[in-house]
Amino acid sequence: SAVISQKPSRDICQRGTSLTIQCQVDSQVTMMFWYRQQPGQSLTLIATANQGSEATYESGFVIDKFPISRPNLTFSTLTVSNMSPEDSSIYLCSVGFARAYEQYFGPGTRLTVT
Amino acid sequence: QKEVEQDPGPLSVPEGAIVSLNCTYSNSAFQYFMWYRQYSRKGPELLMYTYSSGNKEDGRFTAQVDKSSKYISLFIRDSQPSDSATYLCAMSGGGNRDDKIIFGKGTRLHILP
Repeated sequence: SAVISQKPSRDICQRGTSLTIQCQVDSQVTMMFWYRQQPGQSLTLIATANQGSEATYESGFVIDKFPISRPNLTFSTLTVSNMSPEDSSIYLCSVGFARAYEQYFGPGTRLTVT
Repeated sequence: QKEVEQDPGPLSVPEGAIVSLNCTYSNSAFQYFMWYRQYSRKGPELLMYTYSSGNKEDGRFTAQVDKSSKYISLFIRDSQPSDSATYLCAMSGGGNRDDKIIFGKGTRLHILP
């Protein structure tokens, strides 16, 4: 298992601004993921954060809107750029181990855009 | 048709009752079936996983998979107020770490003392 922390836990931001969310893991992990959880919607994968290379984005998500950094095996950041009210959501990072079903999630960042 | 369908609830049951939570899916390629529990203002935590069809039991929790019907269930026996949470079903086509997981919307469960 892994202990995952996220900062900030919540934030209220103005339209047009950007927010960077940090994810810290207590051990080195190969796979790190960023998800979005909107009210009434499924947990949706935004991208896989790859250490030492560009993130792999899912359909509907682009690097200009959600730039991701992964400088080492214990840390990643997700930036939500040029925010609009539609970006209001919970953003979660997770880490994966040997098997796809073995994912551990951080507590999430609750973002409200006004 | 969405890949994974899950009734969002809320589902309210009295303490001690047996709870049944269900999901249906459309992709026959799914082989791994998971249940995550998410408490309010927390991230999801893996509760159980099952490979292919069959049953798996862990304490008060039983997961069932019927691949012929594309239907999975989670049963909670002797439900407790601490079981009140949102339960998300999830599925994956393969067991490799880079296989994508598809989640249901989650069912909110309230256990009434």
